[in-house]
Amino acid sequence: DGGITQSPKYLFRKEGQNVTLSCEQNLNHDAMYWYRQDPGQGLRLIYYSQIVNDFQKGDIAEGYSVSREKKESFPLTVTSAQKNPTAFYLCASSLRRTSGGSTGELFFGEGSRLTVL
Amino acid sequence: SQQGEEDPQALSIQEGENATMNCSYKTSINNLQWYRQNSGRGLVHLILIRSNEREKHSGRLRVTLDTSKKSSSLLITASRAADTASYFCATDAVYSGAGSYQLTFGKGTKLSVIP
Repeated sequence: DGGITQSPKYLFRKEGQNVTLSCEQNLNHDAMYWYRQDPGQGLRLIYYSQIVNDFQKGDIAEGYSVSREKKESFPLTVTSAQKNPTAFYLCASSLRRTSGGSTGELFFGEGSRLTVL
Repeated sequence: SQQGEEDPQALSIQEGENATMNCSYKTSINNLQWYRQNSGRGLVHLILIRSNEREKHSGRLRVTLDTSKKSSSLLITASRAADTASYFCATDAVYSGAGSYQLTFGKGTKLSVIP
């Protein structure tokens, strides 16, 4: 089945540790996104990538890093610089938006819940 | 920045009733999308309405868009207990140059449908 797979579903981190969240898609989408969701809040964009080897910061990129070495994969690293990393992280993908075009439907993974101990 | 803002924040109705959620936004858009999220799960796309469309239907869903008022509404008719979820609007802003990003989400409306 085509879709997006996020892992792990639950992750615990100690203070000062970096952790990496995995996101893989087999939808052949060029664009991929990472969102953060806090309780009772909407989704806030962390990073997005329109094409391999290129990515852009979103609203809340500080304390996070990404890579896009393969079309199918867009891992997110939560670094020790992120002061309040406990949250629900959602990865999504879509067809690539071109300049002057529009963004279509986003396909989401099931999310990764990160808790800092 | 969160462009879309849903109203109400929470809504509780009886099964069989209709549920209406509203979304307001601030800037020019290419399209507006509605998503559903069951508790602890990822979001699922429901419907997309383009800026030149005024109304769209999909099964029990009806979406309207008023670009002059910068608002949209989602109507779920004949609600079921399984419709219990959070519903988010997301706006695709008109491209404003390199570095501008795409969909921005509101905080959502939490719908509870009581059997």
